[in-house]
Amino acid sequence: EAQVTQNPRYLITVTGKKLTVTCSQNMNHEYMSWYRQDPGLGLRQIYYSMNVEVTDKGDVPEGYKVSRKEKRNFPLILESPSPNQTSLYFCASSPGIFYEQYFGPGTRLTVT
Amino acid sequence: TQLLEQSPQFLSIQEGENLTVYCNSSSVFSSLQWYRQEPGEGPVLLVTVVTGGEVKKLKRLTFQFGDARKDSSLHITAAQPGDTGLYLCAGASNAGGTSYGKLTFGQGTILTVHP
Repeated sequence: EAQVTQNPRYLITVTGKKLTVTCSQNMNHEYMSWYRQDPGLGLRQIYYSMNVEVTDKGDVPEGYKVSRKEKRNFPLILESPSPNQTSLYFCASSPGIFYEQYFGPGTRLTVT
Repeated sequence: TQLLEQSPQFLSIQEGENLTVYCNSSSVFSSLQWYRQEPGEGPVLLVTVVTGGEVKKLKRLTFQFGDARKDSSLHITAAQPGDTGLYLCAGASNAGGTSYGKLTFGQGTILTVHP
């Protein structure tokens, strides 16, 4: 089944404790991206990757890191999480930016 | 930074009514997509429009891309409770520079259709 998977689905952590949210797709898509969703703000792009080893900042990259070492995986890293990073996070993949974005199920992160 | 202003933010209507959601920007987009999201799930694509003035229909949903490719609208005829959800527009540009590769979403419209 073609899908985007994210892990974990739910995470509660404390300020400053490094964490990684994994994202994997099995559709051989070139383009992958991370978004955060907050009430009233829609989806805001954090980072995107046009291809392996190519990543670029979205609109809200501060406090986040990503890497794209292989086509199928695009992990999101929070080196020192803070409470303002409490949010719902989505990973997405597609053949390219002008094509349908396939979203993962979301990761709800709470930083206390 | 490209911005997409979506309105209204909330819409609560009765079954059978018509409604329109707007998505506006001062920037030109090469393509504009509309997504629908249900609670606990990721957004799912409804339609992509790429040509200025383009109109696409999906059953009771009509999507229009503005002539200048800066705005779009979603019109639902005879809304049903099953249409309830969060509707999001998203724009992409191939203009180059710092915007290329970015996908910009509107704030979303929460639609509730009462039986």
